[in-house]
Amino acid sequence: QVQLQESGPGLVKPSETLSLTCGVSGHSISTGYYWGWIRQPPGKGLEWIGSIYHTGSTYYNPSLKSRVTISLDTSKNQFSLKLTFVTAADTAVYYCARQRRDGYNYVDYWGQGTLVTVSS
Amino acid sequence: DIQMTQSPSSLSASVGDRVTITCQASQDISNYLNWYQQKPGKAPKLLIYDASNLETGVPSRFSGSGSGTDFTFTISSLQPEDIATYYCQQYDNLPLITFGQGTRLEIK
Repeated sequence: QVQLQESGPGLVKPSETLSLTCGVSGHSISTGYYWGWIRQPPGKGLEWIGSIYHTGSTYYNPSLKSRVTISLDTSKNQFSLKLTFVTAADTAVYYCARQRRDGYNYVDYWGQGTLVTVSS
Repeated sequence: DIQMTQSPSSLSASVGDRVTITCQASQDISNYLNWYQQKPGKAPKLLIYDASNLETGVPSRFSGSGSGTDFTFTISSLQPEDIATYYCQQYDNLPLITFGQGTRLEIK
């Protein structure tokens, strides 16, 4: 069974960098899926932040592209998100997720989500 | 960017009612549409993929239809455990995906 688990600080100061890691068990991130981040501000809808393919190719939401970096660490079977120059608008539950692209094109596994608050 | 317009934003219905949610894409996305259910404090769960295919293990009271720009999600007979927020999601240009604004479903 594939499991994803987010980890990282729950509180980040404005203008600083938000850093989260997603540990994956039950599947190697080196094989054929997209590994992505999706966020949800409190009481609001879902926003795709970006994804990384197992080859290392990255894809970002155009609205966040200038501030986002997603990377893989295959030795630890995990992937990470960095979001720079955060503001209160970046306060959200951040989910890591696995996106399929094998004819079944959906998000099939999600982490439990982690709330990150941007506040001084 | 493809925008997804979902309606209504909230809905109140009685147990046993037929419930319908619509989702409109800003351009033709063929059948590249999924539906998810999200309960409070939980991650979304896939219900319908490719507009009309029921995910394994999902009750048959859930269904989806549509293609092009107009899509419909239906619960044929609302159950108390269906209280949740429902999202449509397009995948015309993987892995870039966008979600509708969500429909919050409540029991009357």
